[in-house]
Amino acid sequence: DAKTTQPPSMDCAEGRAANLPCNHSTISGNEYVYWYRQIHSQGPQYIIHGLKNNETNEMASLIITEDRKSSTLILPHATLRDTAVYYCIAAGGTSYGKLTFGQGTILTVHP
Amino acid sequence: NAGVTQTPKFQVLKTGQSMTLQCAQDMNHEYMSWYRQDPGMGLRLIHYSVGAGITDQGEVPNGYNVSRSTTEDFPLRLLSAAPSQTSVYFCASTPVGLHYGYTFGSGTRLTVV
Repeated sequence: DAKTTQPPSMDCAEGRAANLPCNHSTISGNEYVYWYRQIHSQGPQYIIHGLKNNETNEMASLIITEDRKSSTLILPHATLRDTAVYYCIAAGGTSYGKLTFGQGTILTVHP
Repeated sequence: NAGVTQTPKFQVLKTGQSMTLQCAQDMNHEYMSWYRQDPGMGLRLIHYSVGAGITDQGEVPNGYNVSRSTTEDFPLRLLSAAPSQTSVYFCASTPVGLHYGYTFGSGTRLTVV
């Protein structure tokens, strides 16, 4: 799996967009970018994933650069309940199903 | 549709004891995995399975055994518990073929004294 790099922590004001960056400069052509989050000590929750096109669902948007070396997860209107650890993971091909979690980004949403 | 169910939620073991952490899913997912999470750390893969009868080791398999006799169940066995196995254990499942995200259980919090 390609290694990903994320900032250890970020802050965001409630109601504003939260933009969480991820660097995956060694990602291979068949690896997807996945985003998960973990609220307090609960099990991780899948958010979104993409290969090379930008993706959007009811939770978030994923913007992947054209060279696929980095991506940004966007929570368009952050709420206090979005405070969590966010993990960016590159996986696919022969490593499909084997997720490698790094330290993630602790996102704190302030009132 | 219960998703991924883990039992027990909490467990205290004495060093040297053995036990089985249960994991069951009702979504007919082929892939299932076990992770452990130590305080302040990310999750680490212990074992995974791509279908009934097929298992493989992850990053930290020592001290753990798994089997996959059915699609639904993927138990994790601790052979001889050690304090270093004190952790939170998460089970997860996902379909194969299409790139969906994993569904995780709520975890088992294990303390070995």
